[in-house]
Amino acid sequence: ELKVEQNPLFLSMQEGKNYTIYCNYSTTSDRLYWYRQDPGKSLESLFVLLSNGAVKQEGRLMASLDTKARLSTLHITAAVHDLSATYFCAVDTNDYKLSFGAGTTVTVRA
Amino acid sequence: SAVISQKPSRDICQRGTSLTIQCQVDSQVTMMFWYRQQPGQSLTLIATANQGSEATYESGFVIDKFPISRPNLTFSTLTVSNMSPEDSSIYLCSVAPGQRALYTEAFFGQGTRLTVV
Repeated sequence: ELKVEQNPLFLSMQEGKNYTIYCNYSTTSDRLYWYRQDPGKSLESLFVLLSNGAVKQEGRLMASLDTKARLSTLHITAAVHDLSATYFCAVDTNDYKLSFGAGTTVTVRA
Repeated sequence: SAVISQKPSRDICQRGTSLTIQCQVDSQVTMMFWYRQQPGQSLTLIATANQGSEATYESGFVIDKFPISRPNLTFSTLTVSNMSPEDSSIYLCSVAPGQRALYTEAFFGQGTRLTVV
């Protein structure tokens, strides 16, 4: 059974500082997703990572994938209030079925 | 990408009743999935909705509780039967619109927020 471990589960960020969310998974996969979810809302796709060494960046967010280590990271640069949300990683087991991590609830404080 | 419409967006239901959630996609898709997100929790896959055959359920989910229909390549329904307060969740439809080799990804509908009282 595929396990996806995400940490930390809660992250209190100070504006302007940098932080990282980690996503470990237990079996091989060719596709890893990062999503953002605002309270009461659906999922917003942030990144799709397809190969070892893949790095994608959008604004203050950067995601990377190490398939050998079965590890993905979501790096947040110079946190701002608008980034407050819950972030999920999800692993695709080659048939579009997604196994989600527990989610990281991010709160950005001044 | 695919545009996914889910109905209803939210509902409050009495225990013991059933609710059918609809998922409509703006293009033909091979694979459709239903997920559940319980309050404060992550998402869990309920089942894969297969066109022309019965749905495939994940461990812990059964057809009698969550019957699914997939009459064509653009539409699916999920019914939550004989509801109890524990069924209060967000239910999300997901689709994978193309061939995997062509680099497509899974997209999610806006979700149905169900409260059972």
